Amino acid sequence: TQLLEQSPQFLSIQEGENLTVYCNSSSVFSSLQWYRQEPGEGPVLLVTVVTGGEVKKLKRLTFQFGDARKDSSLHITAAQPGDTGLYLCAGAPQGGSEKLVFGKGTKLTVNP
Amino acid sequence: GAVVSQHPSWVICKSGTSVKIECRSLDFQATTMFWYRQFPKQSLMLMATSNEGSKATYEQGVEKDKFLINHASLTLSTLTVTSAHPEDSSFYICSASSADTRTITYNEQFFGPGTRLTVL
Repeated sequence: TQLLEQSPQFLSIQEGENLTVYCNSSSVFSSLQWYRQEPGEGPVLLVTVVTGGEVKKLKRLTFQFGDARKDSSLHITAAQPGDTGLYLCAGAPQGGSEKLVFGKGTKLTVNP
Repeated sequence: GAVVSQHPSWVICKSGTSVKIECRSLDFQATTMFWYRQFPKQSLMLMATSNEGSKATYEQGVEKDKFLINHASLTLSTLTVTSAHPEDSSFYICSASSADTRTITYNEQFFGPGTRLTVL
């Protein structure tokens, strides 16, 4: 069974601070997605990384896929209260499975 | 693009009744749809995977006779919770993906807004 270990589970910071969320696995993924979910809503896709070593930027968010495609990180610069939410990483296993393996999520709270 | 809708957004029902939740892909053809359940402050738990025109594949521990899934077209899947009980109260979320990699990266899933089910 493939697992994605996501950390930290909870993070409470002040506006303007930087943070990094990690997703790690011993398994290789063909791609990895990051989602953000707000209370009472469905997850919204932020980015998909496919190539080992790939770095993608979305405004103040930087996503990196590990060289071996076993891990990924999400870095937020100068966090704002609007960044508050549950961040989920999800990996697509190699071998063509349609199912995603989800991390347990990181609950981020950015205080004004 | 890649918008998924879900209806209803919330429903309250009496114990013993059945509830149907619809999931629609609005601007793409979803070859595969997924149904998840989410408990408070937890990640998503996959219940089943459905492909258009074929029977759904249920995850271990999910009762297929209780959670009926129909994927009648490339844009619609339904989840029916039969004989609902209070322990079925939860947040149910669907997602959709497409094998058409011209528009969607393979394995990307797009989620609906979720349905909050409360069984009294």
